Amino acid sequence: RKEVEQDPGPFNVPEGATVAFNCTYSNSASQSFFWYRQDCRKEPKLLMSVYSSGNEDGRFTAQLNRASQYISLLIRDSKLSDSATYLCVVNKDNTGRRALTFGSGTRLQVQP
Amino acid sequence: ETGVTQTPRHLVMGMTNKKSLKCEQHLGHNAMYWYKQSAKKPLELMFVYNFKEQTENNSVPSRFSPECPNSSHLFLHLHTLQPEDSALYLCASIGIGTSGTSTDTQYFGPGTRLTVL
Repeated sequence: RKEVEQDPGPFNVPEGATVAFNCTYSNSASQSFFWYRQDCRKEPKLLMSVYSSGNEDGRFTAQLNRASQYISLLIRDSKLSDSATYLCVVNKDNTGRRALTFGSGTRLQVQP
Repeated sequence: ETGVTQTPRHLVMGMTNKKSLKCEQHLGHNAMYWYKQSAKKPLELMFVYNFKEQTENNSVPSRFSPECPNSSHLFLHLHTLQPEDSALYLCASIGIGTSGTSTDTQYFGPGTRLTVL
């Protein structure tokens, strides 16, 4: 089983749609969780951290379910500029000595 | 700009060549990483350096040789590579506090796109 699993997509949605991505992780000792965004042929960039209580940043909402080892990202009112690959990322500890484990990513294509 | 720079941005080399990739971070971080990203695969961790010391080598072949002369610079020396080593090589850095706890965010450089002929 992969350490971090994501549906590769692509998710093709019209502008203004709401879309949700899911991610599961295998290590129950994982401490911190993130969503990164990667545009085509560019480096990954942090989109948002994921907290146990859930958190929201504008049109983006992230949720964490530790019992099910499941992370989600919800994007409301999709924009063309949201088209990218979204990477689910897990860190096993918070010392920084163990680097992040990346999922393969979910590709989103927002269409006019 | 993320504060992490990589050179060169593109590199084409033959299997008998020797080349080096360079990464520099201007963020005052003290941990640096090399990742490899092949087409349609997740990022693969290669090496981790904390305070200039290598703390992780993720079963990387010896034809890849890292060097960290100080906490701001990281190199990846390449020799006798194979065509399957063609990929995007990403450098990243993160801050580690004096108590050992890290900040949340790992910052990536733009990557070096390597093609081995």
